[in-house]
Amino acid sequence: NAGVTQTPKFRVLKTGQSMTLLCAQDMNHEYMYWYRQDPGMGLRLIHYSVGEGTTAKGEVPDGYNVSRLKKQNFLLGLESAAPSQTSVYFCASSYLGAGTQYFGPGTRLLVL
Amino acid sequence: AQTVTQSQPEMSVQEAETVTLSCTYDTSESDYYLFWYKQPPSRQMILVIRQEAYKQQNATENRFSVNFQKAAKSFSLKISDSQLGDAAMYFCAYWSNFGNEKLTFGTGTRLTIIP
Repeated sequence: NAGVTQTPKFRVLKTGQSMTLLCAQDMNHEYMYWYRQDPGMGLRLIHYSVGEGTTAKGEVPDGYNVSRLKKQNFLLGLESAAPSQTSVYFCASSYLGAGTQYFGPGTRLLVL
Repeated sequence: AQTVTQSQPEMSVQEAETVTLSCTYDTSESDYYLFWYKQPPSRQMILVIRQEAYKQQNATENRFSVNFQKAAKSFSLKISDSQLGDAAMYFCAYWSNFGNEKLTFGTGTRLTIIP
């Protein structure tokens, strides 16, 4: 039982490049989330999904897109990376909306 | 909008002593959930404790307990018998059905354990 996994763990991008972050969970959770964490701040919600095939915007969605084609996977895409997207990205999942969220180990992204 | 405030950016405690981390929140809702998450240097976010607002009894998990004061909108975390492994950033978080499905986090408190 791996819980929540994220790939890659670390990535360096140049401004304008694109990439996809993959989140996978093996707990059969309905809800999945993408957060970003910046220095001196807590986590902020980017996008979330309440079930397979559904996505919704969170607090800071601009510049990101997501897809949830399979229940266990939640992808976060950056179409044209900007230095302001330099951050640590966390994926989380929960069985219910009010349920405890379980977090992945994070992906550190540096945009030059 | 809901906000979560952690007014102590840094705290330190002697090993084996007790420390209390503060958290206040602002909400107009009556039904919500509060959490404390721990983030050690590994960066992994780990749930420490969870409290349902409708429960009057304070949650407890081994050496960790909370003091939940609903009227005062206060949710402090007490760590007893502090251990070196408790050194981490601690985040208070809030969730409600009317919060757009998101956890609202405070800015964190960095806890240092002094041997």
